[in-house]
Amino acid sequence: NAGVTQTPKFQVLKTGQSMTLQCAQDMNHEYMSWYRQDPGMGLRLIHYSVGAGITDQGEVPNGYNVSRSTTEDFPLRLLSAAPSQTSVYFCASSRQGSREQYFGPGTRLTVT
Amino acid sequence: QQQVKQSPQSLIVQKGGISIINCAYENTAFDYFPWYQQFPGKGPALLIAIRPDVSEKKEGRFTISFNKSAKQFSLHIMDSQPGDSATYFCAALTGGSYIPTFGRGTSLIVHP
Repeated sequence: NAGVTQTPKFQVLKTGQSMTLQCAQDMNHEYMSWYRQDPGMGLRLIHYSVGAGITDQGEVPNGYNVSRSTTEDFPLRLLSAAPSQTSVYFCASSRQGSREQYFGPGTRLTVT
Repeated sequence: QQQVKQSPQSLIVQKGGISIINCAYENTAFDYFPWYQQFPGKGPALLIAIRPDVSEKKEGRFTISFNKSAKQFSLHIMDSQPGDSATYFCAALTGGSYIPTFGRGTSLIVHP
């Protein structure tokens, strides 16, 4: 199993551009989440999903959209990038009934 | 409002020493307390976890100590090695939840 994969690994955007961060998992996990990691701020939850077709907002959802059309994929869309969205983004998945989250390798995003 | 407070933010230890990272929480509904380890450029991964019905859990050189009355828990790394250099996150989950509340992280450096 590849586990949780994320693409791209690095991305530079200009203010106002849009893009989609991809996340996929091959473990048939029901739950998926997106976090951003900033120095001194830990891991902050952006959006999460308990299954295909179901998504909800986390702690810092503004400026981001998600959808979950399949169990495997959970893309994160930046609608109009801002410098404040410069961060490292992690996707995670977990199995129903388990408390363990499996994280992807992350995407480092810079918005200039 | 920080639900899980983690300290210190950074820690430098000599090889062979003991590393201690502390976390405190307020929500008495938390019933599962994992620690995640993150190496540079990688996603976090579950290291060790404890439930509040035990006061200590040990896995190799890593030990979680749990004080339910004080609402505190800590990670002890015995005989710290340079390979332990990483960021450590404590977390807490309420019953039935699969989304952890993370502390802000501790950057550990173990000098050879």
